[in-house]
Amino acid sequence: DAKTTQPNSMESNEEEPVHLPCNHSTISGTDYIHWYRQLPSQGPEYVIHGLTSNVNNRMASLAIAEDRKSSTLILHRATLRDAAVYYCILRRFISGSARQLTFGSGTQLTVLP
Amino acid sequence: NAGVTQTPKFRILKIGQSMTLQCAQDMNHNYMYWYRQDPGMGLKLIYYSVGAGITDKGEVPNGYNVSRSTTEDFPLRLELAAPSQTSVYFCASTIHRDSTQYFGPGTRLTVL
Repeated sequence: DAKTTQPNSMESNEEEPVHLPCNHSTISGTDYIHWYRQLPSQGPEYVIHGLTSNVNNRMASLAIAEDRKSSTLILHRATLRDAAVYYCILRRFISGSARQLTFGSGTQLTVLP
Repeated sequence: NAGVTQTPKFRILKIGQSMTLQCAQDMNHNYMYWYRQDPGMGLKLIYYSVGAGITDKGEVPNGYNVSRSTTEDFPLRLELAAPSQTSVYFCASTIHRDSTQYFGPGTRLTVL
């Protein structure tokens, strides 16, 4: 199964951009790249996802390498509220009728005031 | 609109006891999922359902059972609790198979 590799932890200063990397060298053509984050003592929440092209939404941007073997989640201005564990996930079929989110151990982002 | 709700928030069980973790969603989502998260780890899929009356195993189903009699509810049953089932359990739902998954706040279970 394709899996992702992320740094265990990263630090950022408040109001500065943050680039969170993810390697997925065994990604297949039908795998979507999803990012979720988990704030302390809460369930994961969706951040962004993409297949081949770069994506932007109100929370973040997702930059996907041309060969799709890596991606980067970009938070344009980190706030203290962005401190969380960020998961890079490949979403693939587990049967003909559902897609599984396969979570790794994620990156713990610390935002310094 | 409450989203995905889970009860209880915390529970301590003795080895061999049984319990049911409740999950409900009010978004009329077809797909529902149960995950467990061990300390410092990512989530692992236990069971999932693609609609009322249809369930299937995920990555780590042993020791658990599920049922889906209604669209709204997806309870997870532990029959003979073991210390290895100490974990945080998350329920999630999504309207279509490719849509965003919405997670509940979790149930923290300790088996002693």
